[in-house]
Amino acid sequence: GAGVSQSPSNKVTEKGKDVELRCDPISGHTALYWYRQRLGQGLEFLIYFQGNSAPDKSGLPSDRFSAERTGESVSTLTIQRTQQEDSAVYLCASSPKTGSFYNSPLHFGNGTRLTVT
Amino acid sequence: DAKTTQPNSMESNEEEPVHLPCNHSTISGTDYIHWYRQLPSQGPEYVIHGLTSNVNNRMASLAIAEDRKSSTLILHRATLRDAAVYYCIGNNNNDMRFGAGTRLTVKP
Repeated sequence: GAGVSQSPSNKVTEKGKDVELRCDPISGHTALYWYRQRLGQGLEFLIYFQGNSAPDKSGLPSDRFSAERTGESVSTLTIQRTQQEDSAVYLCASSPKTGSFYNSPLHFGNGTRLTVT
Repeated sequence: DAKTTQPNSMESNEEEPVHLPCNHSTISGTDYIHWYRQLPSQGPEYVIHGLTSNVNNRMASLAIAEDRKSSTLILHRATLRDAAVYYCIGNNNNDMRFGAGTRLTVKP
């Protein structure tokens, strides 16, 4: 009965370094989302995966950000050449695909807190 | 997307009912209305969702206006643990974009 798991829970990195954040969705969940949440702000959509369809990357803020997902399992969010403005909590959520997709609630992980020094 | 509008903040007294409003005037006929909440230092959690009819679960009730342009999340007896940011979403495509939400403060 594991929920959405994200690792690491905290990451401190130096400006200019690359980081990889991992998300393990709930087994069987075909939809996977990444969000960014800066301190005191709301959730900012980054990218969405649904099964084997092409991902919706419309929320990625720059070409330094990319994400991959292997089938319907693990996803990694990569930030290249990190900047201080990238400091935030990065949240992952997954959702099952039912007969009516929009009827499926999201299940969130607890996020990865990224600090760029 | 169905754009949603919520008050930035609301206050309630403990053990009193709370009505959290959301306007989603551009909602389409197939959009479900989802509510989530985010407790301090946690990821958001699902609260409730519905399409046309009012919905009840163990956490809350959702009242949806007849024209579906607005909805209200109802917490029947607020507790201190209900202090959180509450988000409503009208979902008509797959990217589930969140607004700024309503920060609920519960006073003892």
